[in-house]
Amino acid sequence: KAGVTQTPRYLIKTRGQQVTLSCSPISGHRSVSWYQQTPGQGLQFLFEYFSETQRNKGNFPGRFSGRQFSNSRSEMNVSTLELGDSALYLCASSLPTRLDTGELFFGEGSRLTVL
Amino acid sequence: AQSVTQLDSQVPVFEEAPVELRCNYSSSVSVYLFWYVQYPNQGLQLLLKYLSGSTLVKGINGFEAEFNKSQTSFHLRKPSVHISDTAEYFCAVSDPQGGSEKLVFGKGTKLTVNP
Repeated sequence: KAGVTQTPRYLIKTRGQQVTLSCSPISGHRSVSWYQQTPGQGLQFLFEYFSETQRNKGNFPGRFSGRQFSNSRSEMNVSTLELGDSALYLCASSLPTRLDTGELFFGEGSRLTVL
Repeated sequence: AQSVTQLDSQVPVFEEAPVELRCNYSSSVSVYLFWYVQYPNQGLQLLLKYLSGSTLVKGINGFEAEFNKSQTSFHLRKPSVHISDTAEYFCAVSDPQGGSEKLVFGKGTKLTVNP
């Protein structure tokens, strides 16, 4: 069974540009979450999608957005990049209901460097 | 709001020694508790979880953790560590009634196992 796939794995952008990151969840998983990981702030929740609807959102500015498609794949977008957006962006998927184990399955992340 | 405190940012130990990584959480409601491990340049992998039932939880790679509700702790232990256990370990909490898969993570503990 394939795991969570994130693309691209590494990318470099300059300030002011925008970036789109992609996440393909494990087959059968309908919930996708995104986290930002930085040395200073640690792991911070960005947003969560379930059945194409945003179910929860973290405390990030509006430059951070996301969406989920009907096949459960998800994308996140960061516009007007700032130096502080340099981070590892992790996507996680989980089984569709709260009756499951509550476990998140993480991808290997997309490492964004903003110059 | 939920929060997680990992009391040690770095823990160096010698191979075959026991180790305990400490985690305290703050929540006014019942919680699910998790320990994840992150190896360099990889995503997070679940080590173990507490959802309900027995307070002693066993996970992969010989790790175990004990849920202590009165002390709001969920410390991770291993009786004998290996070089391959060198990694960063994250304690996390979620709200089973919250209708969301959102995890709140601690800042992480870097475990270094020396020969």
